[in-house]
Amino acid sequence: AQSVTQPDIHITVSEGASLELRCNYSYGATPYLFWYVQSPGQGLQLLLKYFSGDTLVQGIKGFEAEFKRSQSSFNLRKPSVHWSDAAEYFCAVGAYGATNKLIFGTGTLLAVQP
Amino acid sequence: GAVVSQHPSWVICKSGTSVKIECRSLDFQATTMFWYRQFPKQSLMLMATSNEGSKATYEQGVEKDKFLINHASLTLSTLTVTSAHPEDSSFYICSATQGGGSYNEQFFGPGTRLTVL
Repeated sequence: AQSVTQPDIHITVSEGASLELRCNYSYGATPYLFWYVQSPGQGLQLLLKYFSGDTLVQGIKGFEAEFKRSQSSFNLRKPSVHWSDAAEYFCAVGAYGATNKLIFGTGTLLAVQP
Repeated sequence: GAVVSQHPSWVICKSGTSVKIECRSLDFQATTMFWYRQFPKQSLMLMATSNEGSKATYEQGVEKDKFLINHASLTLSTLTVTSAHPEDSSFYICSATQGGGSYNEQFFGPGTRLTVL
């Protein structure tokens, strides 16, 4: 069965520091992978997605993620965090076919210290 | 483009009443809409998938008679929480896809906060 694991429930980084949020997935084939960000009380905004091709994916707001098949990982990175990046981040894996379902990880709450 | 709205953004109701939440795709036709539920500090759990003009497909453990979903047009889906109880209090989020590809990106609405007293 498909599943997504985000090992870090809560992360705190200093503004200007680099960031890496971990995501591991379980899927029988090459998955569609996504990172979403959710601000408090808001819906989800897509940061980036991986379908195929280059394993390093660039997204919005300066985020990038790298697909590593051997490690079943899709970690999200940002070289320099801004205070406005404080939010909840969700990794998700998409199912092929007509259902187009998304399976979400449990999320990582990012706090940014001044 | 690809904007999804939800109405209301928050609602408070008394136990035993029914509440309807609307999900609209504003600038595209949504062949499929999804309804999620999110408990505080937790992830999104898919409740059901609805396709325009057909019955919704519910995930295991979701009560069909409790959470009525109607997808009457290509731009509107509704979720009705019937005879709501305090345990139904949650953040409900919808998403919509345009269809036509091998994988169709979901566009999310801003969510509806339901509080049942």
